[in-house]
Amino acid sequence: EAGVTQSPTHLIKTRGQQATLRCSPISGHTSVYWYQQALGLGLQFLLWYDEGEERNRGNFPPRFSGRQFPNYSSELNVNALELEDSALYLCASSFYMSSYNEQFFGPGTRLTVL
Amino acid sequence: AQTVTQSQPEMSVQEAETVTLSCTYDTSESDYYLFWYKQPPSRQMILVIRQEAYKQQNATENRFSVNFQKAAKSFSLKISDSQLGDAAMYFCAYRSAEGGSEKLVFGKGTKLTVNP
Repeated sequence: EAGVTQSPTHLIKTRGQQATLRCSPISGHTSVYWYQQALGLGLQFLLWYDEGEERNRGNFPPRFSGRQFPNYSSELNVNALELEDSALYLCASSFYMSSYNEQFFGPGTRLTVL
Repeated sequence: AQTVTQSQPEMSVQEAETVTLSCTYDTSESDYYLFWYKQPPSRQMILVIRQEAYKQQNATENRFSVNFQKAAKSFSLKISDSQLGDAAMYFCAYRSAEGGSEKLVFGKGTKLTVNP
């Protein structure tokens, strides 16, 4: 069974640009979560999508946004990039109605803002 | 808001020995889940073990076990017979059992080195 996949692996942008990160969940999973792993800050929850709807949002500015498509894949968009947005962005998926709703993580996208 | 604290930024252990990683958390909720995740240098985060707060029995998965002390809000991970492949960042995480709050709250991690 294929795991969570993310693309691209690496992304280099300059300040002020926009970045788009993509995530494909495990087949059968309806929920997608985005986390930011910045150096020194640990992992912080960004967004949760389930069945195409945004269900919960972390403490991030509105320039972090995303969506979930009918096939449950997801995009994370970061507008007006700032240097501190440089981080590893992890996507996770789960089947929301399962007993433990275990989240399975992808390998991440390393975003570097110059 | 819930917080998770891992007080050991780095730990090391000799191969075949036992090591314990510490985690404390703060919450006002009575029902929740606790997790230990492992992130090897290749970056893919994988679940090591989970514990439901309403269960008094400590979870065990092969060489990995936890010591869950609900009153003390402590959730340590014990790795027995450490192997070179156990070297990784270990993250303790909390998740509320209340519906609509599925986010994981992570500690800052403990880097485990396994010495041959």
